[in-house]
Amino acid sequence: ETGVTQTPRHLVMGMTNKKSLKCEQHLGHNAMYWYKQSAKKPLELMFVYSLEERVENNSVPSRFSPECPNSSHLFLHLHTLQPEDSALYLCASSQDPQRRGTEAFFGQGTRLTVV
Amino acid sequence: GQNIDQPTEMTATEGAIVQINCTYQTSGFNGLFWYQQHAGEAPTFLSYNVLDGLEEKGRFSSFLSRSKGYSYLLLKELQMKDSASYLCAVRDFGGADGLTFGKGTHLIIQP
Repeated sequence: ETGVTQTPRHLVMGMTNKKSLKCEQHLGHNAMYWYKQSAKKPLELMFVYSLEERVENNSVPSRFSPECPNSSHLFLHLHTLQPEDSALYLCASSQDPQRRGTEAFFGQGTRLTVV
Repeated sequence: GQNIDQPTEMTATEGAIVQINCTYQTSGFNGLFWYQQHAGEAPTFLSYNVLDGLEEKGRFSSFLSRSKGYSYLLLKELQMKDSASYLCAVRDFGGADGLTFGKGTHLIIQP
């Protein structure tokens, strides 16, 4: 248990579906992140929220839409995905984005399969 | 941009020592992290280096040379449970606080 909880753990969706991934952190952190982990590829940073404001969008397609309603919750809304979007989506949080030495804590991830 | 290289796979023997290397080329540098990830699980933090030198934490140590763009993770007294992927990640000054990861090194421990 890392203090970062993601739901669901597994998700299968069609290309025309709309679904959302949820992340909740119980660590009192004020920065949250979405990463994508595909087979044979490095973990890729998708989105960063610091103090509930989005500070980075690494050229992620618009079919991925993040939402951060408060410092403890982070969502990733998915719509009209492609099969190549199948991957492990990891949420992470860290204590203070200004204190750049602090490590990120990861959730268990959501294994997404697009059919 | 960032480029982080580490070996894809390594094999070592239980009880032995293994060193996993990581080289990086980055536009900025504000720390290097090592994470461990078992199959199907979340990455967990192992170590952090921002200054040159060796950081020791139990059986694990991490070394950094900023001038060479080089780090290594040293694992001693290997145990079967150390079989996992080891991820090298760099934080730069630019943009947000997210990390750029290497592809990871899959470490196999043999009896």
